[in-house]
Amino acid sequence: DSGVTQTPKHLITATGQRVTLRCSPRSGDLSVYWYQQSLDQGLQFLIHYYNGEERAKGNILERFSAQQFPDLHSELNLSSLELGDSALYFCASSVGAGGDEQFFGPGTRLTVL
Amino acid sequence: AQRVTQPEKLLSVFKGAPVELKCNYSYSGSPELFWYVQYSRQRLQLLLRHISRESIKGFTADLNKGETSFHLKKPFAQEEDSAMYYCALSGGYQKVTFGTGTKLQVIP
Repeated sequence: DSGVTQTPKHLITATGQRVTLRCSPRSGDLSVYWYQQSLDQGLQFLIHYYNGEERAKGNILERFSAQQFPDLHSELNLSSLELGDSALYFCASSVGAGGDEQFFGPGTRLTVL
Repeated sequence: AQRVTQPEKLLSVFKGAPVELKCNYSYSGSPELFWYVQYSRQRLQLLLRHISRESIKGFTADLNKGETSFHLKKPFAQEEDSAMYYCALSGGYQKVTFGTGTKLQVIP
């Protein structure tokens, strides 16, 4: 167990809906990263927050947004969901601002019907 | 743009045979490179990083800047090495890029 927690474990929703995924980093970690893993695309980096501030953006759609709160937990909001958004969403945390070991959560499996 | 390429989706080797998981990268600066591993029903976890130059579970990886490669090697594969392996690059502005992963299957 890496100490990173994600809720919920599974989420089933319909197209057009909006969902929120939650991540709590390891105690003491200031960085949170979000990734999307779909069958053919591997692990796609979405966004990185460090101590409440956005540090880097990857292939994150405009329909998706994220934030990191003062207690350092993070939420990933996915709106106007499409079938293609079905994937495993991971968050990871690390101590520093980048370039250090990331500790991954168990993931949230999102199914859009 | 930074890119990580793992050309093999699946690599099958016999127990005791040498293993080489390929990783090539594209990045204009000095990259931080990592290998992560995901064993069955477990979380993704760090295996090794190039700056530490460690050998973990018998695996090593050398950064070859000339060939822009960071291949993962082990001289003698063991059954417990069967897993998904991801090469990752941390580049500018803390952007992280993962390869698509290679599934290593060690045949007893």
